[in-house]
Amino acid sequence: DGGITQSPKYLFRKEGQNVTLSCEQNLNHDAMYWYRQDPGQGLRLIYYSQIVNDFQKGDIAEGYSVSREKKESFPLTVTSAQKNPTAFYLCASTPGQGSSGANVLTFGAGSRLTVL
Amino acid sequence: DQQVKQNSPSLSVQEGRISILNCDYTNSMFDYFLWYKKYPAEGPTFLISISSIKDKNEDGRFTVFLNKSAKHLSLHIVPSQPGDSAVYFCFRGGNEKLTFGTGTRLTIIP
Repeated sequence: DGGITQSPKYLFRKEGQNVTLSCEQNLNHDAMYWYRQDPGQGLRLIYYSQIVNDFQKGDIAEGYSVSREKKESFPLTVTSAQKNPTAFYLCASTPGQGSSGANVLTFGAGSRLTVL
Repeated sequence: DQQVKQNSPSLSVQEGRISILNCDYTNSMFDYFLWYKKYPAEGPTFLISISSIKDKNEDGRFTVFLNKSAKHLSLHIVPSQPGDSAVYFCFRGGNEKLTFGTGTRLTIIP
């Protein structure tokens, strides 16, 4: 079955360490997204990519970095510059603008990052 | 800035009754909206959508209404069931950035 796989599901990090969250999709979607959810808050957009080798900052990109070297993969690195990294991170994809279903996001199961 | 606002952070409804979740938006450039449902520690799942060519879309127990003049949409769930307890996000499509409202936590009381 097609879908989005995020790993790891749970991750603990010491302060000052960078961590990378994996996101892989086999839906042949062009566009991919990273969101962050904090307790009692909505989903905030970190980064998004409409096409391979191109990505744009979302609303809260500071302290994060991404790459899009392959269509299927959109890893997110949480750097030591991110002041409050403890959160639930969600990766999503869509077929891309101009495609049928362009606005319907398919989400992964999420990764929970805890900074100790 | 295309804003989507859900002004009620939480809502409690008796099982069997109607649940009504609301969403307001600014900027009428993009009139395509979706509702997502999210359980704790899971990714959101798509529920129902509506475009500006309609003022109502129905799918089983779920109906979404769009009032373009008021820039307001609402999701009706009837009858409400315990499994409907979740966080519901209003979502605006039509541009590449794809941002969400802050969500409304719906609790169905048995």
